[in-house]
Amino acid sequence: AQSVTQLGSHVSVSEGALVLLRCNYSSSVPPYLFWYVQYPNQGLQLLLKYTSAATLVKGINGFEAEFKKSETSFHLTKPSAHMRDAAEYFCAVSDPEGSQGNLIFGKGTKLSVKP
Amino acid sequence: DVKVTQSSRYLVKRTGEKVFLECVQDMDHENMFWYRQDPGLGLRLIYFSYDVKMKEKGDIPEGYSVSREKKERFSLILESASTNQTSMYLCATRQGYYEQYFGPGTRLTVT
Repeated sequence: AQSVTQLGSHVSVSEGALVLLRCNYSSSVPPYLFWYVQYPNQGLQLLLKYTSAATLVKGINGFEAEFKKSETSFHLTKPSAHMRDAAEYFCAVSDPEGSQGNLIFGKGTKLSVKP
Repeated sequence: DVKVTQSSRYLVKRTGEKVFLECVQDMDHENMFWYRQDPGLGLRLIYFSYDVKMKEKGDIPEGYSVSREKKERFSLILESASTNQTSMYLCATRQGYYEQYFGPGTRLTVT
């Protein structure tokens, strides 16, 4: 069965610092991968997705992620954090060859940004 | 843009009440999902539907049922609400194997 592991339930960075949120997946076939962001008391919003095209994927709000098959990773980065980036981030994976291809979500990483 | 709406943002119900949470999408997507979200547990899938009148159990279906009479509408029903069903409920839609689109969520409190 597929699974997603997000290392670190809480990450704190200073404004202007690099943001790195880690995501590792287990899948026997090349998966589709997604990062979502959730602001307080809101639904999840898609940040970016990997669907077997370019391995470096650019998303909204200056975020990007790199698919590394050898490391089974899809880490999310942003060069310079803003206060408005404080939110919870979820990594998700789907198996495009699965019977239904439901997304499997990680447990989330809460990002805090210090002034 | 895909729009997913949920009937209430905040809801307070009493133990034993029957609760209906409704979700409506405007993009003609085949697949619809109900999740609950609790601190430290992430998103847990309750039920999903891949077609009208079709439903499949997710990871935590106990205490819930669903209804999908029309393609655009997917309802979650708590037959007899209990305090351990206090949670954030999120509806999502999806077409094919690609990304899911989420509604704004309903924060349900059962007292």
